[in-house]
Amino acid sequence: DVVMTQSPLSLPVTLGQPASISCRSSQSLLYSDGNTYLNWFQQRPGQSPRRLIYKVSNRDSGVPDKFTGSGSGTDFTLKISRVEAEDVGVYYCMQGTHWPPTFGQGTKVEIK
Amino acid sequence: EVQLVESGGGLVKPGGSLRLSCAGSGFTFSNAWMSWVRQAPGKGLEWVGRIKSKTDGGTTDYAAPVEGRFTISRDDSKTTLYLQMNSLKTEDTALYYCTTDGRDWGQGTLVTVSS
Repeated sequence: DVVMTQSPLSLPVTLGQPASISCRSSQSLLYSDGNTYLNWFQQRPGQSPRRLIYKVSNRDSGVPDKFTGSGSGTDFTLKISRVEAEDVGVYYCMQGTHWPPTFGQGTKVEIK
Repeated sequence: EVQLVESGGGLVKPGGSLRLSCAGSGFTFSNAWMSWVRQAPGKGLEWVGRIKSKTDGGTTDYAAPVEGRFTISRDDSKTTLYLQMNSLKTEDTALYYCTTDGRDWGQGTLVTVSS
């Protein structure tokens, strides 16, 4: 299975400051159709996961533009431009290029 | 609005069986590839399996830990997804979510495998 490695695993952030989460895959996530199936999910405390970003950099409907995804191949990043209290939770990257889909360990974002 | 509502979770002994259901609404269920994802208490997310739409073959794929024990099926006339879980192990204890292949998620149903 493709191993997804996130860093850091814990991210204390001051309100209004930016945050960045890294995700690395053990294999390239570029699929034969030319797409890279790398998604980012947010899971707030006590809630179901919510997809924020699909195919590296596409925001899902209703996701604020403070969330930005980037990267290619095996290295990917999720950036939050200005962290707000509602952004507290665990963030997961997930690859859908190779079966089975696999998730990173999660990065816990908290307010400093 | 897309809604996914799981049900059927509960307490079961090791070696037992359970069937989970996921009722979908607000989208064209028959066209959707549907998946089950689980989350053990306090742990991360793990993909369990997926079923394609009938127009894409209706085939299923499973993660290695559940292959041969779990079966995913769908009833498009009832817009419902199922997960039949047999030979349950303590390590199958988790909150089970259904999802439209990652985009929309239900609230989850808790399965506890314990003697």
